[in-house]
Amino acid sequence: SQQGEEDPQALSIQEGENATMNCSYKTSINNLQWYRQNSGRGLVHLILIRSNEREKHSGRLRVTLDTSKKSSSLLITASRAADTASYFCATGTGGFKTIFGAGTRLFVKA
Amino acid sequence: EAGVVQSPRYKIIEKKQPVAFWCNPISGHNTLYWYRQNLGQGPELLIRYENEEAVDDSQLPKDRFSAERLKGVDSTLKIQPAELGDSAVYLCASSFSGTNYNEQFFGPGTRLTVL
Repeated sequence: SQQGEEDPQALSIQEGENATMNCSYKTSINNLQWYRQNSGRGLVHLILIRSNEREKHSGRLRVTLDTSKKSSSLLITASRAADTASYFCATGTGGFKTIFGAGTRLFVKA
Repeated sequence: EAGVVQSPRYKIIEKKQPVAFWCNPISGHNTLYWYRQNLGQGPELLIRYENEEAVDDSQLPKDRFSAERLKGVDSTLKIQPAELGDSAVYLCASSFSGTNYNEQFFGPGTRLTVL
């Protein structure tokens, strides 16, 4: 079963534009992570935000977390063609259990 | 530093045949995960090991799937017999449970096609 639901399922933008992806989840969490997966490859960890944090930055990435709405967003600023990938949110609960969503497929056109 | 190693990268078999996947985690990572990823979906956990102990195998179809991590390092996932619906990418990941969160490092996966 998948707890996180990403929105939109697919996103196509021009290089240089910002990309925003949303994730909603159902149960209480300890943390929420975002991963990227390039075609035919494994997942790569991007950023983690803890349940007591509201916003976090890492380079061109900005993640927000609203635990009252059980939602998170990932913003990629000044997107590049190399950002083309699938992005997954993953909710972490007690005992290192992590549940992944179905992902958002981002396509950045050069 | 070497990442998570998986083999084979691709496997094509006929239904009812057995198949095995191998994973070597990052050195020092005591937690190992096997996930199945269907096309267009996120990874779904099959089994999680803490050292050599399977601490979460609730999603592992135990009638045909088995896994082992005998010495708490590398691991093997087996399917016997394979069914058409088992076609998917099988991902292995590892993490270090000494922190209070869980950043997982993934291997490239094994793409299984069952004909």
